[in-house]
Amino acid sequence: AQKVTQAQTEISVVEKEDVTLDCVYETRDTTYYLFWYKQPPSGELVFLIRRNSFDEQNEISGRYSWNFQKSTSSFNFTITASQVVDSAVYFCALSPLIQGAQKLVFGQGTRLTINP
Amino acid sequence: NAGVTQTPKFRVLKTGQSMTLLCAQDMNHEYMYWYRQDPGMGLRLIHYSVGEGTTAKGEVPDGYNVSRLKKQNFLLGLESAAPSQTSVYFCASSWVAGGPDEQFFGPGTRLTVL
Repeated sequence: AQKVTQAQTEISVVEKEDVTLDCVYETRDTTYYLFWYKQPPSGELVFLIRRNSFDEQNEISGRYSWNFQKSTSSFNFTITASQVVDSAVYFCALSPLIQGAQKLVFGQGTRLTINP
Repeated sequence: NAGVTQTPKFRVLKTGQSMTLLCAQDMNHEYMYWYRQDPGMGLRLIHYSVGEGTTAKGEVPDGYNVSRLKKQNFLLGLESAAPSQTSVYFCASSWVAGGPDEQFFGPGTRLTVL
């Protein structure tokens, strides 16, 4: 069975602080994809990143960076110099590497609040 | 492009009533999904479709039915609503060409069953 755990239910930091959101996953598949989605207060889910299990290179996109470590089954997300607009619920998700419908398994989500 | 749209945005039902949620996408995606989001549980897959005329069960299908008569539409039905079905429902779509692709989500429907 596949499972995604986001142990941090809520995080609150002051603007400009760096913050890391943890994601730990369980799967018996040797090949799979990992995702991060953002859910701002408006409610819709916004795709942030997709990573496949073959590629353990860290990725940076502006103030966002992701650290994928297969050895610890973790895919953590760091926001550098956080801003109030980063306030949202963030979801980590896992999907097997198959062609066809993508049955995402989501974590519980981490509610991030950036205080001015 | 409107992307993925959902109708209605809000709905209140009494126990035992029925309703249909409509999802529409204009991106010509083959795959469509219905999720429910409950506090502290993330999103869970209810049903999905791999193409027009097809449907399949997800993680939590009980109490729901779906239909995909047209490629661009995916309907979620509740035949006899129960308070446990109070949730926020999200529709999503994706186009997979050689591997899992990102899913595009609709804005959600907040359903309350009294």
